[in-house]
Amino acid sequence: NAGVMQNPRHLVRRRGQEARLRCSPMKGHSHVYWYRQLPEEGLKFMVYLQKENIIDESGMPKERFSAEFPKEGPSILRIQQVVRGDSAAYFCASSPGPFSYNEQFFGPGTRLTVL
Amino acid sequence: DAKTTQPNSMESNEEEPVHLPCNHSTISGTDYIHWYRQLPSQGPEYVIHGLTSNVNNRMASLAIAEDRKSSTLILHRATLRDAAVYYCIPTPNSGGSNYKLTFGKGTLLTVNP
Repeated sequence: NAGVMQNPRHLVRRRGQEARLRCSPMKGHSHVYWYRQLPEEGLKFMVYLQKENIIDESGMPKERFSAEFPKEGPSILRIQQVVRGDSAAYFCASSPGPFSYNEQFFGPGTRLTVL
Repeated sequence: DAKTTQPNSMESNEEEPVHLPCNHSTISGTDYIHWYRQLPSQGPEYVIHGLTSNVNNRMASLAIAEDRKSSTLILHRATLRDAAVYYCIPTPNSGGSNYKLTFGKGTLLTVNP
């Protein structure tokens, strides 16, 4: 059973470009979470999605950031018009259910560098 | 969310037991206590979780104080692969955001060969 997959593993963008980060959850998992880890900081929750629905986007910046988890295909975290402050590691996690006793399985992350 | 206090860093020798403490004095009576770890350049990895009783799994043991204000993650025989940042995360058992993991700074564990 493959784990959570993220691609690309490394992404370099120039200021003003768009970044698209993909996450394929574990088989059978319909709950996806995105976290961001800024340099020298801890991981911060960004958004929680179920298939085709955004459940909680309270941790996601209001502008330039969006997330989706379509019926078919991976979850996408999209950052428009990237700025240097967006440089970070972005981790996706999935779980079989949303409750606190469910373990979250994390992917290897996408390291975004904005030049 | 309950606040946690963990040592910034700890050091251990290979093959020896390691006790990683966490203080969570503001924990709610129904919060789970999760432990995750993050190896260098990798995503976090679930280690163990518990509510009131001590818990064991193939990776570690979790000892929870009777008043639940602190817990200790026990690695019985540390290996070089256990070198990581360990996070103690109280997680609400109910309410609207019980899926949200709140990572603090954690404890950086160094394992010496």
